[in-house]
Amino acid sequence: GAVVSQHPSWVICKSGTSVKIECRSLDFQATTMFWYRQFPKQSLMLMATSNEGSKATYEQGVEKDKFLINHASLTLSTLTVTSAHPEDSSFYICSAIAGRTYNEQFFGPGTRLTVL
Amino acid sequence: AQSVSQHNHHVILSEAASLELGCNYSYGGTVNLFWYVQYPGQHLQLLLKYFSGDPLVKGIKGFEAEFIKSKFSFNLRKPSVQWSDTAEYFCAVNPLNDYKLSFGAGTTVTVRA
Repeated sequence: GAVVSQHPSWVICKSGTSVKIECRSLDFQATTMFWYRQFPKQSLMLMATSNEGSKATYEQGVEKDKFLINHASLTLSTLTVTSAHPEDSSFYICSAIAGRTYNEQFFGPGTRLTVL
Repeated sequence: AQSVSQHNHHVILSEAASLELGCNYSYGGTVNLFWYVQYPGQHLQLLLKYFSGDPLVKGIKGFEAEFIKSKFSFNLRKPSVQWSDTAEYFCAVNPLNDYKLSFGAGTTVTVRA
């Protein structure tokens, strides 16, 4: 149980375009989902916390107008990278919490974004 | 805010050698502690976690970790590694009743056959 999927697994886009990444909890309801960014050989950095039915909470330094997050249902959160630039190329990972437990996050497989 | 330090950036060892990865955190309150593993090309997987109780925690694949509260440490150990243990290992911490995980920088473990 507690499986999180992401789609797409990788995407290549041109500079200036927008890219949407989906994060789904497959077998549980996720009231809270998280979006992380991971640069090569580096750790995960939390970008934002996504709560179902409310606005996302962004970490300091993360542009909310550039990284649009929507958590429209208890099983789906989306991250849209708007007007992507090469410096946005990274590995984006989502995670989800099952119910109200704060004790464990379940991670998705990640999405590799390459902006040309 | 809490921070997590992993002492080793890259560890190289031979099969059957013992492994110990250090993790220290800075936070004055009660925390939950985790070790995650990321195999090449794969997603993060939970190795083990500590919430409360016995400070020696056993996880999957023969890994264990010991929480030493006085040292703010949660070191990961495995008595005898295998080639398949080659991966990136991350220590993570969140304060009790707070969902935000803070990750260490990660340790790359390379096991040579």
